[in-house]
Amino acid sequence: QKEVEQNSGPLSVPEGAIASLNCTYSDRGSQSFFWYRQYSGKSPELIMFIYSNGDKEDGRFTAQLNKASQYVSLLIRDSQPSDSATYLCAANDYKLSFGAGTTVTVRA
Amino acid sequence: EAQVTQNPRYLITVTGKKLTVTCSQNMNHEYMSWYRQDPGLGLRQIYYSMNVEVTDKGDVPEGYKVSRKEKRNFPLILESPSPNQTSLYFCASSRQGIEGEQYFGPGTRLTVT
Repeated sequence: QKEVEQNSGPLSVPEGAIASLNCTYSDRGSQSFFWYRQYSGKSPELIMFIYSNGDKEDGRFTAQLNKASQYVSLLIRDSQPSDSATYLCAANDYKLSFGAGTTVTVRA
Repeated sequence: EAQVTQNPRYLITVTGKKLTVTCSQNMNHEYMSWYRQDPGLGLRQIYYSMNVEVTDKGDVPEGYKVSRKEKRNFPLILESPSPNQTSLYFCASSRQGIEGEQYFGPGTRLTVT
């Protein structure tokens, strides 16, 4: 079993809709969680991080963490074509483990 | 400009020919690491370094070497490349180790024939 699992997608959403990305992790010792965005042919860049159970909002992005269920999600509200990218979930226990990523396409 | 640089960006080589991919950061970060990215497998860590002269293996270290003689540089060495090392490689640095934001370089696409 992979340490961090993500829906492989692709996820296609219309412009203005909410994109919902899911991530599960296997190590209960994981302390912090990160969402990176990677445009095609580019390097990953950090969107958000979350340490505590609950929601964390930053602009159009909301990260949700449920440690009991070992589940992290990212919501993108009012999706824009510029949000079309691959989103990588990462979990940190004693090392940083990345999921394979979910590709999102926002249809204009 | 704060950045991580890698060279070369693209490299095609043959099996067994030693190569080095350089990585340099100008942010005075102590933590640096190397990842490879393959379709369906995501980013997998090869090696990391907590500081100068301190390096350790990641998840997939076989066939790779690293050194950290200066804080800003963290080269990746493939002594005898093989086709299964064909991949996209990223160098990253962080001010807070694995607790903090990883700043990634632009990537090096390596093809071993």
